[in-house]
Order: sequence, then structure tokens, then C-alpha cells
Amino acid sequence: GDSVTQMEGPVTLSEEAFLTINCTYTATGYPSLFWYVQYPGEGLQLLLKATKADDKGSNKGFEATYRKETTSFHLEKGSVQVSDSAVYFCAPRGGGSQGNLIFGKGTKLSVKP
Amino acid sequence: GAGVSQSPRYKVAKRGQDVALRCDPISGHVSLFWYQQALGQGPEFLTYFQNEAQLDKSGLPSDRFFAERPEGSVSTLKIQRTQQEDSAVYLCASSPDTIGAFFGQGTRLTVV
Repeated sequence: GDSVTQMEGPVTLSEEAFLTINCTYTATGYPSLFWYVQYPGEGLQLLLKATKADDKGSNKGFEATYRKETTSFHLEKGSVQVSDSAVYFCAPRGGGSQGNLIFGKGTKLSVKP
Repeated sequence: GAGVSQSPRYKVAKRGQDVALRCDPISGHVSLFWYQQALGQGPEFLTYFQNEAQLDKSGLPSDRFFAERPEGSVSTLKIQRTQQEDSAVYLCASSPDTIGAFFGQGTRLTVV
């Protein structure tokens, strides 16, 4: 079945450090891919998305490129801020007509000043 | 409204009690999803509606779980005879299409 694997957290970085959170997936065909972020005490928010191979999604300084050949969608940011501290979820859209999202366990990021 | 609204935000139920969780999606959104998120885990799919039709309920963990969306807008997730393992955050999401989804704040259910 469809699944997603994210790098284990927690990840602790200093402010202005470079961030990479790895994500690989198994899915039928070529699904749309999403990153969601959950800030402390808040609901899930769509961070970025890519709908086809080689697409790059970007938002708030975060980027992720849809790599069909490696079935990956790694999240990167060049310089993290304390306000980026949150849990990040990679989520491919599952198969079938409705396309429910398939979530991994999430990666908790803590950024220290 | 501006976003997906869920109520109540918090619910404490005694074991064996029935509960009903409400989701008010973004106006005009055809698709509606329910997810269950256990502590420290990612959300897991429960069920999907397209307008008033429940097209997929494969994620519902038992027949104690029931969801409806009778007029294609507001949805209710009902859990009968709650058990401790039902304790989780229940998330509702709506979408105008099958590409992206907007999530509510969730309802945190604690069964004691």
C-alpha cells in the first residue's frame, strides 16, 4: 500500500543553520506531494506542494523538489529561524479517486537562538 | 467561514459514553476528510465524503465509528461506547478538489 518515510526526529538546530528533512514515499503512479507543518498548539497547515515530477514547491523560504526517480520529496531551508520550530509532515496523496493524504510520523524541529 | 471549524475543541468522555464531533468545512468545498491523530503520530485517514456521499470509510477502526454529512456541508463523526484507545485528536479537512486540503484545529478526545 501507499506509505511515506520521514527522517526520525527530533532535529535540533541553531538559528540560521541549514535544514534538510528527508522524505521518501511509496505510492501508485505519480501522486501529488505535500509538506504540512504543525506549530505548537495549532492545526496542520499546508506548507508547500508539488503536483508532478521535477516540480519545486516553495513557501516561507522552504523548498522541496519532486524527484520521481528516487521517489523523494526532501524539505530544505537555507537559514532556519526560531519561529520555524514545529512538527513537519510529508504527505503524498494516496491512490484512488478521492486522494486522501498519507502521513508519516512527522519530524519535530527545534531551533535554538 | 474563513477556515475549517471543529467543535468542541476538547472533549472528555467516560468510557462507554457516546460522543459526537462536529466539522464545519470551508464553504463550497466538495471534499471532506476525517483523520485520527494519536499522540506523537501522524494523522491517519478515517473517512472521505464527496458532497453528501461517503465514498470511503476504509479507515474507520471499528463499527463504533460512524460519520455523516447529510447536506453536503457540516459533518459529524460519532463514536459509540468510547474506549480508552479512542483517545486522540480528531482532525477534519476540506478541499475544493483532490489536490490540497485545509485542516481544522481538531478535537482532542480524552476517554477516562
